[in-house]
Parts: sequence; C-alpha cells; structure tokens
Amino acid sequence: DAGVIQSPRHEVTEMGQEVTLRCKPISGHDYLFWYRQTMMRGLELLIYFNNNVPIDDSGMPEDRFSAKMPNASFSTLKIQPSEPRDSAVYFCASSLTRSTDTQYFGPGTRLTVL
Amino acid sequence: GQNIDQPTEMTATEGAIVQINCTYQTSGFNGLFWYQQHAGEAPTFLSYNVLDGLEEKGRFSSFLSRSKGYSYLLLKELQMKDSASYLCVLNTDKLIFGTGTRLQVFP
Repeated sequence: DAGVIQSPRHEVTEMGQEVTLRCKPISGHDYLFWYRQTMMRGLELLIYFNNNVPIDDSGMPEDRFSAKMPNASFSTLKIQPSEPRDSAVYFCASSLTRSTDTQYFGPGTRLTVL
Repeated sequence: GQNIDQPTEMTATEGAIVQINCTYQTSGFNGLFWYQQHAGEAPTFLSYNVLDGLEEKGRFSSFLSRSKGYSYLLLKELQMKDSASYLCVLNTDKLIFGTGTRLQVFP
C-alpha cells in the first residue's frame, strides 16, 4: 500500500486566499484525522471522521476552517479566507478501526500564508 | 483536561543509552503511545503501553506507570539516525500529543 497520500506537499499563498488540502487515506481504514503542527503548539487534532462521517470537530479553530469526506478514499481541509497565523504543517492520518488504534500519518502539507 | 510534559531537548552520544521521560495528568486513558518524528517528516509509531511495565522492542523500550502518571522511552545503542523528536501521546477517546522531545545524537 502507498500509505496516506497528501497533496500538495507545499503551499504558499497570500492572506485572504482560499486554500484546499487533500488527503487519501490507506485503503480499508475507517478513520481519518486532520492535524495541525506548529512549533509553539505541537500536534493538534482538528477533526476526525469515521466511515466518512465527521465525529469530532472541536479542534477546528474557527469557521474559516472546514473539512469534508465525500467518500472513503478522499478528504479535503479548506481554509477560507487564509491568514498568516494558519501557517503550519497539516497532517492527515488514518487508522484501521477504532479511533484509538495506531494512526498512520501522511507526509504533511507545509502551508505558508504571506 | 489532559496535560503532557516532556523535556524540550536532549543530547546524547552515539552508542550510548538515553531515557526520555513523560509525565501526564488525565482523568482516564486507554494507553500511551510513543511516536518518532524526523525533521520535516511525518510521525511514525514506535510503541504502545496499556498495562504498567516495560515493553521492549529491539533497541527501544517503553515503560508505563499509571499510578505515578509517568512513562519513559529508553533508546539503547544510539545511532545517528535516532536524532529526531519523540512524542508522548495519550490515548483517550482521541490521541493527545505532547509537544515532543528533540533528541540530538552526536558522534
């Protein structure tokens, strides 16, 4: 298996622009997670899905952030409008069954908002 | 809520042994993970402790004491490639990550 796939790997955009991050989980994994990592705050869970349904979005910082999972093999995290403080590495991860199983992380998207 | 404390940075010499400590406060949890993260890369699974005691896996071992709210990761026969951040992770209804300990291994 190719593992969790994320795109793009790097994104540089200007404040106010819309940003869409994409993720393809490992085939057969029922859970998908979006994390944000910064030097100051470490890894923070933003939202996670079970069988394409959002279960917990309490980590989504504000209404500018939204996430969707239209099918079992694809998810997006959208930021609109983007702000400089959104600059971070965004990881997608998936796990086989229960939300507390070992999670497998994608390579991440490094986002820079100017 | 939950809180996880680990040292920010540690240094060690190739071939040596290093212990990375983690203390936590939580009302309840299923177990504790350790993840490794090399600079610019994704976190990868190292170990998982559910019961108190030591779990050994090759050069790496992880220990958990629920009564003391304490865990450690022990790395033996250090290699240069072990230079990375090590994340202590509480497994509650979701994963709670510590900010990580950056380990630098010198020749």
